[in-house]
Amino acid sequence: DAGITQSPRHKVTETGTPVTLRCHQTENHRYMYWYRQDPGHGLRLIHYSYGVKDTDKGEVSDGYSVSRSKTEDFLLTLESATSSQTSVYFCAISSGDSAYEQYFGPGTRLTVT
Amino acid sequence: AQKVTQAQTEISVVEKEDVTLDCVYETRDTTYYLFWYKQPPSGELVFLIRRNSFDEQNEISGRYSWNFQKSTSSFNFTITASQVVDSAVYFCALSEGVSGSARQLTFGSGTQLTVLP
Repeated sequence: DAGITQSPRHKVTETGTPVTLRCHQTENHRYMYWYRQDPGHGLRLIHYSYGVKDTDKGEVSDGYSVSRSKTEDFLLTLESATSSQTSVYFCAISSGDSAYEQYFGPGTRLTVT
Repeated sequence: AQKVTQAQTEISVVEKEDVTLDCVYETRDTTYYLFWYKQPPSGELVFLIRRNSFDEQNEISGRYSWNFQKSTSSFNFTITASQVVDSAVYFCALSEGVSGSARQLTFGSGTQLTVLP
């Protein structure tokens, strides 16, 4: 199993509060990704990183920011949570050069009330 | 823009039946990669297979087989002699880009497979 952990695994928060989700890997992979999973939409890319301090937007980046100060950690921040951000969030990693598949963390279930 | 369509939202079969999950993709790139992932009721996403656009050979792994046809832009997944443990949501995904670049996966909406005992 790929060494990916996510924290917290579950969180309930109120509208308007800031929330930070953490993804931690022990594989030293270059690429890291944040997706959200919603019924009927599969998984959609929020942001991704191709190295320390190197990040870019995905398909559904509005309302989210990310940071990567170390290879092993990729943080996803909701500056002011809204009910539409209630979702399951998955982190993924990929080595990129020789192995193109992405391996996923266990997910974080976020509920915004 | 790339797109993946899994038209079958839900499929229900009886154990030991064969079942095929359909996946149709759209891309303008000549180099791309196709994937299947499994999401069992426990919620994790499990990588099953990767296929690149230059390799149209079908692949078999135990009870699983994959049929890649560029002519119809399809990458279908067949489970032979299904078992209850195959019950899960199955996702097809597509990525474009050259080697070394960040590969963004575009997922289909998934097919919920239920295998009844």
